[in-house]
Amino acid sequence: AQTVTQSQPEMSVQEAETVTLSCTYDTSENNYYLFWYKQPPSRQMILVIRQEAYKQQNATENRFSVNFQKAAKSFSLKISDSQLGDTAMYFCALSRGTSYGKLTFGQGTILTVHP
Amino acid sequence: ETGVTQTPRHLVMGMTNKKSLKCEQHLGHNAMYWYKQSAKKPLELMFVYSLEERVENNSVPSRFSPECPNSSHLFLHLHTLQPEDSALYLCASSQAGALAGELFFGEGSRLTVL
Repeated sequence: AQTVTQSQPEMSVQEAETVTLSCTYDTSENNYYLFWYKQPPSRQMILVIRQEAYKQQNATENRFSVNFQKAAKSFSLKISDSQLGDTAMYFCALSRGTSYGKLTFGQGTILTVHP
Repeated sequence: ETGVTQTPRHLVMGMTNKKSLKCEQHLGHNAMYWYKQSAKKPLELMFVYSLEERVENNSVPSRFSPECPNSSHLFLHLHTLQPEDSALYLCASSQAGALAGELFFGEGSRLTVL
């Protein structure tokens, strides 16, 4: 069985600063994808960033980057230059293999960005 | 039209009622999903449909009955629910096989069972 663990229920950061959200996972698959999804208050969940397990290079999307440590099964999200619009629940997710959207999610981290 | 639309947004029902949740996607995807989001618990995958065939039933009680009449529509029929079924039910879609896991979610249907 797959597991995804987010050990930080809540985080806060000042606007313009950098914050890192932690995620660890466990899977017996050799090939898989890891994701960070963002769920703003009362709004749709959207994909923030995706990492393919066979790629050693860490994924980056503008202010969002990941630190993927495959051997340690760790997948953290770094948000640089935090903005008020980054306030949301962030979910780490792991695919079951590489087909379909059968994702195992972590419990989520509520991030609050303060002005 | 937004990509994935869910109706109703809020639903209150008694334990003996029968109701349905509806999901519609306008993205041309061929896979659709139901996820359950309960307070203080991770999202749980309930059902997966690919090309209108159910490819996953994640040990969901029979009081939840999915239906996928075509690739754009997905329903979740509810009957004889329990209070612990109160949750946010999220519909999602994707292109099966490509960019696996890149799901597009609706805003969810908030269900309260009295």
